[in-house]
Amino acid sequence: AQSVTQLGSHVSVSEGALVLLRCNYSSSVPPYLFWYVQYPNQGLQLLLKYTSAATLVKGINGFEAEFKKSETSFHLTKPSAHMSDAAEYFCAVSAPASNTGKLIFGQGTTLQVKP
Amino acid sequence: DSGVTQTPKHLITATGQRVTLRCSPRSGDLSVYWYQQSLDQGLQFLIQYYNGEERAKGNILERFSAQQFPDLHSELNLSSLELGDSALYFCASSPRGADNYGYTFGSGTRLTVV
Repeated sequence: AQSVTQLGSHVSVSEGALVLLRCNYSSSVPPYLFWYVQYPNQGLQLLLKYTSAATLVKGINGFEAEFKKSETSFHLTKPSAHMSDAAEYFCAVSAPASNTGKLIFGQGTTLQVKP
Repeated sequence: DSGVTQTPKHLITATGQRVTLRCSPRSGDLSVYWYQQSLDQGLQFLIQYYNGEERAKGNILERFSAQQFPDLHSELNLSSLELGDSALYFCASSPRGADNYGYTFGSGTRLTVV
């Protein structure tokens, strides 16, 4: 079975500061991992995904994440926060060996960006 | 516009009632997934349909049911509604039944049970 833990339900950074959102996963098989972003009153939008190719994955809006198998982590980073980055971020895991594309999501981390 | 269409956007109904939520997947996508998002439970996977057949089932209550029609649109039926069913219900779609593309989400239906 797969599961995802996002450390910190709320993260606050200043504009221009480093953004680090933490995600740890549990999976009995090599996982696929995803980060989604949800802006207020909208659906979730795919930021980036890891599908067993390069361990450093670049996504949209300047975000990137690194898959670390030894640490079972997939943390999301952005060098310099922008006000428009304020949103809720979800990490998700799927099992590519299963016969389903269902994703298991973490509880989400709300990112606040202060001017 | 993500290409996944959910209707209605908002729904207010009374306890004990039944409602139907509709989802049209992105063109070409064969899989439809339903999720429930609430403050206390987060994003919970309910059910997946692939090309008209149920592919995976999650934490879906017996009072809830879903189906996918030949034109690939899907409906989620919620009956005997309780206050605790108030939530955002998302539909997502993907090209195949089990793939690594991730989903495309609709904008959701906000259900309020009063």
